Amino acid sequence: DPKIIQKPKYLVAVTGSEKILICEQYLGHNAMYWYRQSAKKPLEFMFSYSYQKLMDNQTASSRFQPQSSKKNHLDLQITALKPDDSATYFCASSQDWGEENTLYFGAGTRLSVL
Amino acid sequence: AQKVTQTQTSISVVEKTTVTMDCVYETRDSSYFLFWYKQTASGEIVFLIRQDSYKKENATVGHYSLNFQKPKSSIGLIITATQIEDSAVYFCAMRERNNNNAPRFGAGTKLSVKP
Repeated sequence: DPKIIQKPKYLVAVTGSEKILICEQYLGHNAMYWYRQSAKKPLEFMFSYSYQKLMDNQTASSRFQPQSSKKNHLDLQITALKPDDSATYFCASSQDWGEENTLYFGAGTRLSVL
Repeated sequence: AQKVTQTQTSISVVEKTTVTMDCVYETRDSSYFLFWYKQTASGEIVFLIRQDSYKKENATVGHYSLNFQKPKSSIGLIITATQIEDSAVYFCAMRERNNNNAPRFGAGTKLSVKP
């Protein structure tokens, strides 16, 4: 059974709409991350949280907002969607925020914006 | 800011041979961690191997090993006795110890292993 669940697996949206990407991890990890993968920028870091606290942010646009309701949840809300937002969004987690901690990735949500 | 560069876009090898994938990094931190991850055709991303900058000995896990050349800011991934199922995209990543940053990834190298 997958330990990091991302929902939905595929998502089609229209330009200007809003979507929420869901991520739940059942590894007992304390840190969670969002990465985006597209042809233009492979595995681009977006956000990271540790114990529900924002630790690192590389996303310039305020249209992307992480939401952490529980330690093992880190959702990603995207507003005013643009075709350029089309990508696969990967959620990841690590045991702790420490530097040596390796990442475990979810299967990704493939977003297509028309 | 940390930066990771993989210049090899794709590599093709015959199975059972050895392949090396290059990765160079930039950092101002004196201590950092280097990682290699593999993304299969299904999209799954898995961790392979890690090198701590303060360790002189190259890391080895199964048929994966690293060629860590600190003066050159280089961390090559070596796969020996390649198998068809090693065909995937391989990503190098770095995380600095003293900057509170998440890991950053290189662009990836696509490896094709052929019979």
